[in-house]
Amino acid sequence: AQSVSQHNHHVILSEAASLELGCNYSYGGTVNLFWYVQYPGQHLQLLLKYFSGDPLVKGIKGFEAEFIKSKFSFNLRKPSVQWSDTAEYFCAVNNPNYGGSQGNLIFGKGTKLSVKP
Amino acid sequence: GAGVSQSPRYKVAKRGQDVALRCDPISGHVSLFWYQQALGQGPEFLTYFQNEAQLDKSGLPSDRFFAERPEGSVSTLKIQRTQQEDSAVYLCASSFIETEETQYFGPGTRLLVL
Repeated sequence: AQSVSQHNHHVILSEAASLELGCNYSYGGTVNLFWYVQYPGQHLQLLLKYFSGDPLVKGIKGFEAEFIKSKFSFNLRKPSVQWSDTAEYFCAVNNPNYGGSQGNLIFGKGTKLSVKP
Repeated sequence: GAGVSQSPRYKVAKRGQDVALRCDPISGHVSLFWYQQALGQGPEFLTYFQNEAQLDKSGLPSDRFFAERPEGSVSTLKIQRTQQEDSAVYLCASSFIETEETQYFGPGTRLLVL
């Protein structure tokens, strides 16, 4: 069965610090990879996604993630965080061959990011 | 256009009560997913619809959980004889199936079973 591991439960940074959140998945086949973000009081929204092509993916708000197939990783990065980036971040994976273009997402447990002003 | 909406946003139930949670997907979205998110965890898949067909219900934790989407749009997740372990946020997501579209999530229904 597929699984997703997010090793950091809670990350605390000061503004302007660089961010890297780890995500590893366990599945040997083709996968689609996602990072979702949940701001306080808001619903889950897509930050970025990787389906194929360039393994370095750029998302909204200056976030990017790199797919490294050999490491089964899809780490999220941002060079300089802002207080408004305070949120919970979820990595997710699905098998694109399941049930059409989208299969059910397998989520990690999430990483809470707190950015101190 | 409007996003995915869910109602009620909060539900308190006494143990043993039945509850019904509603999801209105984005208009035109063929795929609809239900997820359960326990406190401190990521969302976990419950069930999947393509139009009115329930193609996968492998994530439903017990036969007390039942979902339907009779006309291929609005979906209802029903939990019978609620138990305390059913307390969680129930998320609905929808997507187009014909393209590599993202799943768009609703705000969730927070269920508390006392």
